[in-house]
Amino acid sequence: QKEVEQDPGPLSVPEGAIVSLNCTYSNSAFQYFMWYRQYSRKGPELLMYTYSSGNKEDGRFTAQVDKSSKYISLFIRDSQPSDSATYLCAMVAGTYKYIFGTGTRLKVLA
Amino acid sequence: EPEVTQTPSHQVTQMGQEVILRCVPISNHLYFYWYRQILGQKVEFLVSFYNNEISEKSEIFDDQFSVERPDGSNFTLKIRSTKLEDSAMYFCASSESRGGQPQHFGDGTRLSIL
Repeated sequence: QKEVEQDPGPLSVPEGAIVSLNCTYSNSAFQYFMWYRQYSRKGPELLMYTYSSGNKEDGRFTAQVDKSSKYISLFIRDSQPSDSATYLCAMVAGTYKYIFGTGTRLKVLA
Repeated sequence: EPEVTQTPSHQVTQMGQEVILRCVPISNHLYFYWYRQILGQKVEFLVSFYNNEISEKSEIFDDQFSVERPDGSNFTLKIRSTKLEDSAMYFCASSESRGGQPQHFGDGTRLSIL
């Protein structure tokens, strides 16, 4: 079983839709959970980071962590064409090494 | 907003040659990292660096790789004798501390080995 699993997509949604992106993981030692956005030929840009279970909101973005199910989500409200990118989840167990998912490619259609 | 900068953006090198990738981390950050992303694959951890020494490295980071902080601002990754399979995007990242503090990434250096 892979340590972090993420559906690669692509996921196409109409402008204004609510987008749900997800990752599952197998290592119960993960404590911190991040979401990055990556545009083509650019580096990962930090969107959200959370510790332990619960929700965190920042503008149109909500990150959700369910440690009991080993499942994390990122919700994007009122999606815009500029949100079209690859979304990466990343996790760390308290050391230095981030473990990334493969990324989900999102396309928001105008 | 402070950012991590990497140079060059694209490096083309002959197989067997040495290459040095350069990074300027965010100025008040103390922890530095290199990751790589082979085309179509996920971002993979290579090494972390703190207080002028390697704190953790992956199995990818073998004797052909080395890292250095030659002065107060730069952080470099050296590949001694490049192989075709070293072709990838290499990302530098930095953070204020380890673990829970988020890592901020540069835009990467695309390394092409011929």
